[in-house]
Amino acid sequence: EVQLVESGGGLVQPGRSLRLSCAASGFTFDDYAMHWVRQGPGKGLEWVSGITWNSASIGYADSVEGRFTISRDNAKNSLHLQMSSLRTEDTALYFCAKGRHNSGYDGFDYWGQGTLVTVSS
Amino acid sequence: EIVMTQSPATLSVSPGERATLSCRASQRISSNLAWYQQKPGQAPRLLIYDASTRATGIPARFSGRGSGTEFTLTISSLQSEDFAVYYCQQCNDWPLLTFGGGTKVEI
Repeated sequence: EVQLVESGGGLVQPGRSLRLSCAASGFTFDDYAMHWVRQGPGKGLEWVSGITWNSASIGYADSVEGRFTISRDNAKNSLHLQMSSLRTEDTALYFCAKGRHNSGYDGFDYWGQGTLVTVSS
Repeated sequence: EIVMTQSPATLSVSPGERATLSCRASQRISSNLAWYQQKPGQAPRLLIYDASTRATGIPARFSGRGSGTEFTLTISSLQSEDFAVYYCQQCNDWPLLTFGGGTKVEI
C-alpha cells in the first residue's frame, strides 16, 4: 500500500524558515517524480514544486521561486521542502504527492494527508 | 505560466443528473491534463489523466474529453458521493505545473 506521510509543519513567524518532510513507502520511490502541493484556508490547490526521479529536473511555482528548495533522498525514501523567507500568504496545508511517472509530465496518483504551515507573528 | 480556467465555479445538480465541467488552458497543452476530486477534509484523488484515461478504481460514470485548450469532465449520473470540488491540472509545461481554480458540484 502506498503511503505518504508529511511532517514538519507548524507555526512560524514571517521571515523565518521551516523544513517539511515526506516519508514514502509501498512503492519504489526512486522510480517516480514527487511534488508538493498546497492549499490555503478555504482556497484551491496550488502546485508548489516538483522533482524528477533522479533530481535532474526541478520546478517551482513563481510564488515560491528563490525562497523554497525541494530535494529528495532516494536512499531514505524521503522528500523535503526547505522553505525560507516565509510570508503570511504561505500559510496552507502542504501535501506531498507522487507523480505517475519518473518525469514531471503527468498527474499525481497518490497524496498524503498534508501538514499545516501557519505563518504569523 | 499556463493559466487554467474552470467553469462554472459552482454547479448545482440533482442526484442522477448529468454534470459537465469545463477547463480551458491559456495555451495548447496537447492531452497533458489531469482531473482530481476533493472532498472536505480529504486529500485530492486522481480521477483522469492524459485528458481521458480513468485512473485505477475510478467508476465508468466519470469521463474526460478534450485536447489542445478545451477540456471537459462529465459525470454521467451523479451519485451522492460525487458532490465535491473538482480540479483540472495541466502537466504539459513542466517544470511549471498549474491547477485550475476548481468547480464545486453541489446538490
